[in-house]
This record gives sequence, structure tokens and C-alpha cells, in this order.
Amino acid sequence: DQQVKQNSPSLSVQEGRISILNCDYTNSMFDYFLWYKKYPAEGPTFLISISSIKDKNEDGRFTVFLNKSAKHLSLHIVPSQPGDSAVYFCAASTTGNTGKLIFGQGTTLQVKP
Amino acid sequence: DTAVSQTPKYLVTQMGNDKSIKCEQNLGHDTMYWYKQDSKKFLKIMFSYNNKELIINETVPNRFSPKSPDKAHLNLHINSLELGDSAVYFCASSQGGFKAPLHFGNGTRLTVT
Repeated sequence: DQQVKQNSPSLSVQEGRISILNCDYTNSMFDYFLWYKKYPAEGPTFLISISSIKDKNEDGRFTVFLNKSAKHLSLHIVPSQPGDSAVYFCAASTTGNTGKLIFGQGTTLQVKP
Repeated sequence: DTAVSQTPKYLVTQMGNDKSIKCEQNLGHDTMYWYKQDSKKFLKIMFSYNNKELIINETVPNRFSPKSPDKAHLNLHINSLELGDSAVYFCASSQGGFKAPLHFGNGTRLTVT
């Protein structure tokens, strides 16, 4: 019973273009969502987050969109750079459950020069 | 300086052995975690400690025992290792409640033969 799903295991885009990574969730109690980036042999690093009271959060080249009715969120990276090549994990949590993140299985992004 | 460091990076051992993984954070955070990344790449929480007190204990075999001697350290001891324990174990820390992003260590790859 996977509550957070990233159905695309991999994505390849050209440098300078937009990367869109998708994430779906099933638990309507989730009220906070995060994206982490992971390079090989390193731990995940926090990228951006969004609260369920918002539908968009932007930080530089990274924007996260939340569609609560569809239980769907996406991460947009514009413009994509080769250094963005990594595994991206979507995660969700509920109020009061400090640190108990439910992760998706990740999407490997490759940005080609 | 590494913020969350865990040792060893690799651990190869035989079934039935007992092993420990150490974790230290120098961020001054009050909460520390152990996450497990299984063969399907899902990251799942195992334990969480806040100021040396256990606050999250997921459905983990009692062969796994976390120990927090102080709030900067959270070690994981595993008794009677089994083949299915093979995974990457990540330590993490955070400060400030459920919206605080987790800072992960680089992981310990445990292989049980």
C-alpha cells in the first residue's frame, strides 16, 4: 500500500528545457509535501516544499505545484541544467508527525548537454 | 564539515552476526531519525528520537535497537542479521517541527551474506 507514488522511474530532457517530475498520493490527510534530490552515494538533500494550503511554491528555477483535488503534485525545473541530473524523491507528511515522511520511489532525471 | 555523518559507509557481514551503525550530527538539531532504503528504492522511516527520547518506532523487528546517548548521536544496533536486512540505511536530523526539512547522512550500505 504505497501512499506516495512516482510512476515515472526515469526522465531525460535536454539542457535548457523544462523538466517536469510528477507525484501522486492517496492519503488525503497529507498536508505537507517536499521534494528531495539525491546524487549517487549521497543522502537526499531537501529541495523545496509546499503546504496543502497553497497550490504553488517557487524557489529560483524550481517550482512545485499542488493539485489537492487530484492528489497530485509536480516539480518543474526551468531551465534544466546538467547538474540537475539526480534522483528526485517526492515525500509527504501530516501535521504532528514530525519527520515521518512518506517517500515515493524516486524519478531519475538525466539532463543532456 | 559534514553535517550528518554516519559510519561505516559500507558494511558486509554474514547472517546471524550483530552489527552497529553510528550517526552523528553537528547541526544542533533536536530530532534524529533512521530511514531504510530497500531494494525497491523506497525510503521508509524506522525510528525517530527527539532530545534522546524515542518518538517514532515503526513496525521494525525488535532485532533493531536504536540508541541515543545524546541529542547529537543516534546509533543503530542490529542483532542476528538476516539476508532481508540488506539495504541502505540513512541517518537524518531536523529541528523545529514537522515542516522542518530533514538533513540526511550519506548512507550505510549493509550487505548480509
